[in-house]
Amino acid sequence: SAVISQKPSRDICQRGTSLTIQCQVDSQVTMMFWYRQQPGQSLTLIATANQGSEATYESGFVIDKFPISRPNLTFSTLTVSNMSPEDSSIYLCSVSGRSSYNEQFFGPGTRLTVL
Amino acid sequence: GENVEQHPSTLSVQEGDSAVIKCTYSDSASNYFPWYKQELGKRPQLIIDIRSNVGEKKDQRIAVTLNKTAKHFSLHITETQPEDSAVYFCAAKWTGAGSYQLTFGKGTKLSVIP
Repeated sequence: SAVISQKPSRDICQRGTSLTIQCQVDSQVTMMFWYRQQPGQSLTLIATANQGSEATYESGFVIDKFPISRPNLTFSTLTVSNMSPEDSSIYLCSVSGRSSYNEQFFGPGTRLTVL
Repeated sequence: GENVEQHPSTLSVQEGDSAVIKCTYSDSASNYFPWYKQELGKRPQLIIDIRSNVGEKKDQRIAVTLNKTAKHFSLHITETQPEDSAVYFCAAKWTGAGSYQLTFGKGTKLSVIP
């Protein structure tokens, strides 16, 4: 499986500010996704990061709040904008490869606390 | 869209006993069913998966079964050990063109009591 890293691993931020989370993969992957996981909850897909084009957002998530970039096949960023305490969560990058069934693997996550 | 229901939400077993977690899915087109294990503070780890052309798959102490007709699949862990304690998530997706997202169940917190 691919080696996935995320930066930062955790952060504490003030409300109204923005944080950019980076996801780096050690090999080219077809798909990159961003998930949110609130304490004790399941994984909620925020968006699919598309290389060279706008991300595809899930219902309830918008580009102004969660802008995403994917400049190449190994790197993506997620920005959490104008943060509020409700944005406190773990944000996970996930990738899948080129196989037809696309096994999907997760990065270590970024634990965000908004005060 | 796809909907995945997972039961039970919590499960406690004695060490050495078996544990079974069940999931049902709504979209009959789904053909790929992975299971993830998430230990406290860690990332979800893919532990086993099954494709729709297979009814059962085993890997040492874990196995997954799939019933396409009933649209349900299950995770079986035998001879449970304390290190099996974690939250387990099932998921489903259709691997056809234009569909890439996994739909996850809500998770099962498994506690193995020594």
